[in-house]
Amino acid sequence: AQKVTQAQTEISVVEKEDVTLDCVYETRDTTYYLFWYKQPPSGELVFLIRRNSFDEQNEISGRYSWNFQKSTSSFNFTITASQVVDSAVYFCALSTRTYKYIFGTGTRLKVLA
Amino acid sequence: EAGVAQSPRYKIIEKRQSVAFWCNPISGHATLYWYQQILGQGPKLLIQFQNNGVVDDSQLPKDRFSAERLKGVDSTLKIQPAKLEDSAVYLCASSYLLRQNVSGNTIYFGEGSWLTVV
Repeated sequence: AQKVTQAQTEISVVEKEDVTLDCVYETRDTTYYLFWYKQPPSGELVFLIRRNSFDEQNEISGRYSWNFQKSTSSFNFTITASQVVDSAVYFCALSTRTYKYIFGTGTRLKVLA
Repeated sequence: EAGVAQSPRYKIIEKRQSVAFWCNPISGHATLYWYQQILGQGPKLLIQFQNNGVVDDSQLPKDRFSAERLKGVDSTLKIQPAKLEDSAVYLCASSYLLRQNVSGNTIYFGEGSWLTVV
């Protein structure tokens, strides 16, 4: 079965704090892709990053970083020095050969000024 | 580069009425998706087109939902008759797709059409 679990329903942090959003996935496919999307209040899902199953290098983009660990089937997302504009719902997604895209239930991040 | 365009942004209808949503994908994107996102949940794929052919409509409630992409560009999603449980955001998305069953292409979403059925 293919599944994406985002156990954190909602997280609140104070501005400038670091925050990590967890994503755990399940798949039997050896080739798959993982994604993170941001959904601000306007509703549009904004693409943040894509990772394929053969690339376990962590990635940093400005204040964003991603930690992909196949051993624990996790693809966690960290925001450093959070800002109010980071407030949104964040979705982790899995794409495999069998299923197109499977989204987690999302984590709502609230960054308080 | 223009993003995925959707209209209308908001629609309120009574149950048993019909509604139609329109989508224009990113130029050059052969694949178009319609997702339904109910409040508090992740998006759920309703239908996927490759050019003007249907790739996957296994989760489309075909007794009331229909979608078409006649010329391989724009698409329309229709609901008739609407039910209360159809209240959701309908997201259109598009991607490049070199061949069917390739799973790693990044999909780009529009802002969504918010439907409230009363």
